[in-house]
Amino acid sequence: AQKITQTQPGMFVQEKEAVTLDCTYDTSDPSYGLFWYKQPSSGEMIFLIYQGSYDQQNATEGRYSLNFQKARKSANLVISASQLGDSAMYFCAMRGETSGSRLTFGEGTQLTVNP
Amino acid sequence: GAVVSQHPSWVICKSGTSVKIECRSLDFQATTMFWYRQFPKQSLMLMATSNEGSKATYEQGVEKDKFLINHASLTLSTLTVTSAHPEDSSFYICSARVWVERDGYTFGSGTRLTVV
Repeated sequence: AQKITQTQPGMFVQEKEAVTLDCTYDTSDPSYGLFWYKQPSSGEMIFLIYQGSYDQQNATEGRYSLNFQKARKSANLVISASQLGDSAMYFCAMRGETSGSRLTFGEGTQLTVNP
Repeated sequence: GAVVSQHPSWVICKSGTSVKIECRSLDFQATTMFWYRQFPKQSLMLMATSNEGSKATYEQGVEKDKFLINHASLTLSTLTVTSAHPEDSSFYICSARVWVERDGYTFGSGTRLTVV
């Protein structure tokens, strides 16, 4: 069984500052993938970043970076230079090799960027 | 590329009627489509996995007779909420696995269903 835990229901950050959204996971699969998605109030799911379990380097995509600590089973999302448009719900998700193509989502973190 | 078009974006229906939600893959073939349900301020809950040409696989606790899923072609998957009740009011979203530069998923834009 796979499990994703996001312990921060809500986070607040000042515009232009960096923020870290926490994600821990639990799986017995040796190979897995970790995803972060942004969901604004419109409901669409926007892909942000992906980290494979065997990737040697932490993933980065523009202002987004993933702090992957395999031994601790954590995959925290770091957003640098926050913008007002970053205010949204953020979901961490995982796909393990035994789950086929199914994604397991965390409970999400509601991020609010203050001006 | 790899766009899934989901319709309708929102629908209001009367209790007891049925509603069909469509997800079309526009520029790729979706052999597998995932259907999720999401309540306000909650996570996405996987309802079922549909595979082209075969019966859908439902998650535990999801009524297969109430949520009918059809995946008759590689570009179209549908979810029909039968005999809808107010408690079926929710946000429904579909997703397909894709390979565009990297392994990932593409999501439909979602359907907000309100049953009155």
